[in-house]
Amino acid sequence: DAGVIQSPRHEVTEMGQEVTLRCKPISGHNSLFWYRQTMMRGLELLIYFNNNVPIDDSGMPEDRFSAKMPNASFSTLKIQPSEPRDSAVYFCASSFTSGRVYEQYFGPGTRLTVT
Amino acid sequence: LAKTTQPISMDSYEGQEVNITCSHNNIATNDYITWYQQFPSQGPRFIIQGYKTKVTNEVASLFIPADRKSSTLSLPRVSLSDTAVYYCLVGGDNAGNMLTFGGGTRLMVKP
Repeated sequence: DAGVIQSPRHEVTEMGQEVTLRCKPISGHNSLFWYRQTMMRGLELLIYFNNNVPIDDSGMPEDRFSAKMPNASFSTLKIQPSEPRDSAVYFCASSFTSGRVYEQYFGPGTRLTVT
Repeated sequence: LAKTTQPISMDSYEGQEVNITCSHNNIATNDYITWYQQFPSQGPRFIIQGYKTKVTNEVASLFIPADRKSSTLSLPRVSLSDTAVYYCLVGGDNAGNMLTFGGGTRLMVKP
């Protein structure tokens, strides 16, 4: 298995532009997580999907952020409009969940820089 | 929401056993305890998960006392490649219980 796949690996954009991050979870996993990591705030959970349904999005910073999971093999995290404070590494992770969340497998991350 | 407290950093030497303790005083009945390892420029990697007593795998052991208000990750005979940040998480009962990464413990293994 190729593991969790994220694209792009690096993204540099200007303030005000729309940014779309993509994630392909591991086949057979039924949960997907989006995290954001910065030096100041550490690793933060943004949103958690279970069976393609958003379970809790209380970690999403504000309305500029949105996430979708149209099917079991694809998810997107969109920022519109982007701001410099959104600069961070964004990780996608997937796991199999049944009664509890088992080990999460993280992707390589997308390093986003907003200028 | 269960909060975890870990030492910010620890130093060790190659070949030693390292024990990292995590405090989680308000852990809930359904919460599990999970540890992750993160190397620079990589996503976290699962190490071990447990609910109570002791869990051991090929990488580490996890000790959880009866009151579950703390847990200890034990890494036997560390090597330089074990230098990383180690995170303790509490939660994950699949009921919308958010998984919160704290600040982690930065372990430095010296030769």
